[in-house]
Formats: sequence, structure tokens, C-alpha cells
Amino acid sequence: TQLLEQSPQFLSIQEGENLTVYCNSSSVFSSLQWYRQEPGEGPVLLVTVVTGGEVKKLKRLTFQFGDARKDSSLHITAAQPGDTGLYLCAGRTDSWGKFQFGAGTQVVVTP
Amino acid sequence: NAGVTQTPKFQVLKTGQSMTLQCAQDMNHNSMYWYRQDPGMGLRLIYYSASEGTTDKGEVPNGYNVSRLNKREFSLRLESAAPSQTSVYFCASSVFPGALSSYNEQFFGPGTRLTVL
Repeated sequence: TQLLEQSPQFLSIQEGENLTVYCNSSSVFSSLQWYRQEPGEGPVLLVTVVTGGEVKKLKRLTFQFGDARKDSSLHITAAQPGDTGLYLCAGRTDSWGKFQFGAGTQVVVTP
Repeated sequence: NAGVTQTPKFQVLKTGQSMTLQCAQDMNHNSMYWYRQDPGMGLRLIYYSASEGTTDKGEVPNGYNVSRLNKREFSLRLESAAPSQTSVYFCASSVFPGALSSYNEQFFGPGTRLTVL
């Protein structure tokens, strides 16, 4: 059973379009992270959110943590081919240690 | 700095064979982790070591053993490989888990692609 449900599983868009991916759970998280993974490589951390309602921006990427700390979204504005990758969310339900990962959303941005 | 390194990058085993996956980090991190990644399943934690000298089971530990050799190195052993263990294995490290830091970034290695026939 997946603690974190990510949607959609796959997203293919044209360069310049916007996209949003979601990470949902019935559990409350003390913190939630978003990673991007490129083919043949390990995931790389994009952001960590810890406060309900928190919004963080990283250039064209906007991350939001739900008010109840059960869900999160990642919005990409004017997507570029370099945004192609597998986007993973990872949440921790207690303040000690282990994060659990969602299955990921595969994003493909074509020129 | 090399970050997190893993060896080998690729491996093919026959059912019943054993092997050890090696992982090393040069960031002076306290905590290290082993994950497996399967299509549609995301990353699942196999074992982790919160600090040198300690190891604990994760979500899917059956069929695996680990050794935290020193602060830098954390190995994963498959004693008798099974086709169900065909996967991509990632090692990761972080400064320290838990309450000391909510911003606990994990740094991942490039992965080992294992096929068990």
C-alpha cells in the first residue's frame, strides 16, 4: 500500500505549457520533499516543505504544502525540455528519520 | 567530492547466487540508506543506518542484510538472490535524521541495476 499517491502517473506536454503534479495522502506529514530523477541517475532534492499552507518557489517551479499537511503540489510554468524527468514526493510522518516515497510522475516536455 | 558512489553499476546474477552491493560517501554524513526502485512502486526503503554502528529494517528488508562498515561505507548483501530482487538499487546518505533537522536532504548515488535470472 502506497502511503503517498502521486498523480498523474505520466504527463506529456509541449514546451511553454504549464503543468501541475499532485501528491496526496490520508496521513499528516511533518515534512514533505520533492525530488527530480533523470534517467540513469539517482533522485535530486528540489525542495522541502514543513509548514501547512507553505508555498516555495524555485525559478519556474512552485511547490505548495496543503493546509492540513496531507497533500502537496508542484506547478511548473512555461515548461522546458530540461524539466523532463521523474518527479517524486517523499513524506515523513514523524520527526525522526525515514521518508516514504510516492511512485512518481513521469514528465516529458517536447520541444 | 564524489558524493555517493556505488559499485557495481550493473550486475546479472543467477537465482541462488550471492553478492554485495557497495556504497561509500565522502560528505561526512551520519546516516545512510538502501532503497530499491521498481516500476510503479517508487523508492522503497530496505535498510537504513541512522549513525555508525546502528542499522534498522525499512519497509522491505526480507532477503537482504546490511553492514555499516564505518562512517563512510554501507553495504547491502543478497545471500541467495531471487528473481523478485531484480531492481535498481540506490544508496543515499544524509547529515542526520530526525528532530535535529526537518530539512533532511538525502543525497543519492547513481544506482546499481541488478537482474536475477
